[in-house]
Amino acid sequence: DTEVTQTPKHLVMGMTNKKSLKCEQHMGHRAMYWYKQKAKKPPELMFVYSYEKLSINESVPSRFSPECPNSSLLNLHLHALQPEDSALYLCASSQVHLVPGAYEQYFGPGTRLTVT
Amino acid sequence: GESVGLHLPTLSVQEGDNSIINCAYSNSASDYFIWYKQESGKGPQFIIDIRSNMDKRQGQRVTVLLNKTVKHLSLQIAATQPGDSAVYFCAEKVAAGNKLTFGGGTRVLVKP
Repeated sequence: DTEVTQTPKHLVMGMTNKKSLKCEQHMGHRAMYWYKQKAKKPPELMFVYSYEKLSINESVPSRFSPECPNSSLLNLHLHALQPEDSALYLCASSQVHLVPGAYEQYFGPGTRLTVT
Repeated sequence: GESVGLHLPTLSVQEGDNSIINCAYSNSASDYFIWYKQESGKGPQFIIDIRSNMDKRQGQRVTVLLNKTVKHLSLQIAATQPGDSAVYFCAEKVAAGNKLTFGGGTRVLVKP
């Protein structure tokens, strides 16, 4: 199984709402990622979890709060978002490589978020 | 041919022809590179990767070339098919850590 699943596929939320995005993989990967992708742009890294611990936060505003409850699940909690946060949010997973070398990130289909 | 403007650079190619997509990467310390394909409404899909100790790697209908001297990466697609129509991103990884940095992307349009 090389699949990363994400729910929901689409989400519309108001600026005062609280919502969560969910991501799941069963490939035994111990690194999981959140990316944000605006239209016609490449994915931009937001967060990286390694062995269920946050290892990289790319200076993301605190209205985005990641959580990794176990090695298969990754959540992104959203609160008080702005319209400019509307984007495709992608989850990915990979093996953790602590030494230089090859690795591949597997991406989910994304959640299309619209903030009104 | 290629066009660069307000939108993604676009490569229009006739079905059956070969495609070449280019990417200039930024960090001379990058040791690993990946090409991803992203179709409309989907997440990026792995195509092929290459380590910095190689200059060429071949897959099924695809070849990646790496020129570290000029920090240039290319993806060649042989006998391009309609299903190859997508946006293609290169990505680089610096030796330490798990962080991938993506390039700007190129849209490939295959004409029947």
